[in-house]
Amino acid sequence: GAVVSQHPSWVICKSGTSVKIECRSLDFQATTMFWYRQFPKQSLMLMATSNEGSKATYEQGVEKDKFLINHASLTLSTLTVTSAHPEDSSFYICSATQDRASYEQYFGPGTRLTVT
Amino acid sequence: DAKTTQPPSMDCAEGRAANLPCNHSTISGNEYVYWYRQIHSQGPQYIIHGLKNNETNEMASLIITEDRKSSTLILPHATLRDTAVYYCIVRVYGGSQGNLIFGKGTKLSVKP
Repeated sequence: GAVVSQHPSWVICKSGTSVKIECRSLDFQATTMFWYRQFPKQSLMLMATSNEGSKATYEQGVEKDKFLINHASLTLSTLTVTSAHPEDSSFYICSATQDRASYEQYFGPGTRLTVT
Repeated sequence: DAKTTQPPSMDCAEGRAANLPCNHSTISGNEYVYWYRQIHSQGPQYIIHGLKNNETNEMASLIITEDRKSSTLILPHATLRDTAVYYCIVRVYGGSQGNLIFGKGTKLSVKP
């Protein structure tokens, strides 16, 4: 099956700094990638949808200037959390699909971000 | 997308069948039922999907009622590794959005 990787798997950063999370589709070309956030004991919440070569579409309430998403190639999308604060500490998960309408999204293993 | 209702938690004995129900009474005719699961601290994993016919694959079976207002995911022989949160999601196949909307899911605990 299709594999999606994320890097790093966990990261600790100081408040006010920025951190970049990578999402890669290893054996397929991902026309669309999705970024989710999951707080402890809660469900996944969609943050944004990115299509290769175009600007990401953010969900309501998600600050696009704080969560910068770049989908520069068909195998890589990045999420940069700028000026991180402790409340940004969360589990960030990406998913990818070959076809925007595809029934199957392939999820990455997630990245645990802790802001101190 | 239509909303779904699932019990918050269920227990199952190892080796027995796990039957996870899902209500989706407002499902539209062109919406599919998908099931994903999430093992602790991992990304979600696709299990199965269906429209109106029962479906089976190597992981599970999906039983959809004739009126499509509810469905049941069946893990025929649950193991300890099946302990996870199971999400039932309804979504239009071929829809313009493409994203999945996760509810709270059912936390399945498989016990020895």
